[in-house]
Amino acid sequence: QSALSQPASVSESPGQSITISCTGTGSDIGDSNSVSWYQHHPGKAPRLIIYDVSKRPSGVSNRFSGSKSGTTASLTISGLRAEDETLYYCSSYRAGDTWVFGGGTKLTVL
Amino acid sequence: QVQLVESGGGVVQPGGSLRLSCAASGFTFSSYAMYWVRQAPGKGLEWVAFIRYDGNSKYYADSVKGRFTIARDNAKNMVYMQMNSLRSEDTAVYYCVKDCWGSWCFEVWGRGTLVTVSS
Repeated sequence: QSALSQPASVSESPGQSITISCTGTGSDIGDSNSVSWYQHHPGKAPRLIIYDVSKRPSGVSNRFSGSKSGTTASLTISGLRAEDETLYYCSSYRAGDTWVFGGGTKLTVL
Repeated sequence: QVQLVESGGGVVQPGGSLRLSCAASGFTFSSYAMYWVRQAPGKGLEWVAFIRYDGNSKYYADSVKGRFTIARDNAKNMVYMQMNSLRSEDTAVYYCVKDCWGSWCFEVWGRGTLVTVSS
């Protein structure tokens, strides 16, 4: 059960926008709308920020948005703030009643 | 508010067993599927197991299939993970996670419990 593919790290300046990609296959991202994104500050519980490709849970800033094209999902964070600097993971339901995560992306706000 | 509290982690020798527990509160537990997700030191998140709201369907990652068993007690609002034949690669923080309503996603996470498999 290989993981989804994410860039190990991305960086951008405060106030700018950044997009993190998540590449899967036709058995997961390409075949599912159950794509989600998580923000994870080490030592804390991960936090759901996007589900069903592009929906935001209550309380999540509209600076976070999600999309999908084919087998690649994307998370965009606009108006970057210092507090956004942390790890981000994508996840997808995969055919065969399994779930898979990406390897995680470390976001640095310069 | 929704709260998930894991317990039962610790140090165990290779080949040993451990049982994790997760106490849920703040929501109608019997209406939601639950998961276990783990994170090995320095690694990313890995889905481990799923149990349906009524306990009648259970699914496992290939890496733990045949060794781990997920269970729940809806009368006690508890989820469990029985882990047998533990290996060094099972060393990780184990998170108990509540499913989303109407979607497959990991809505609310506990703080996690550390399992260390070492001789």
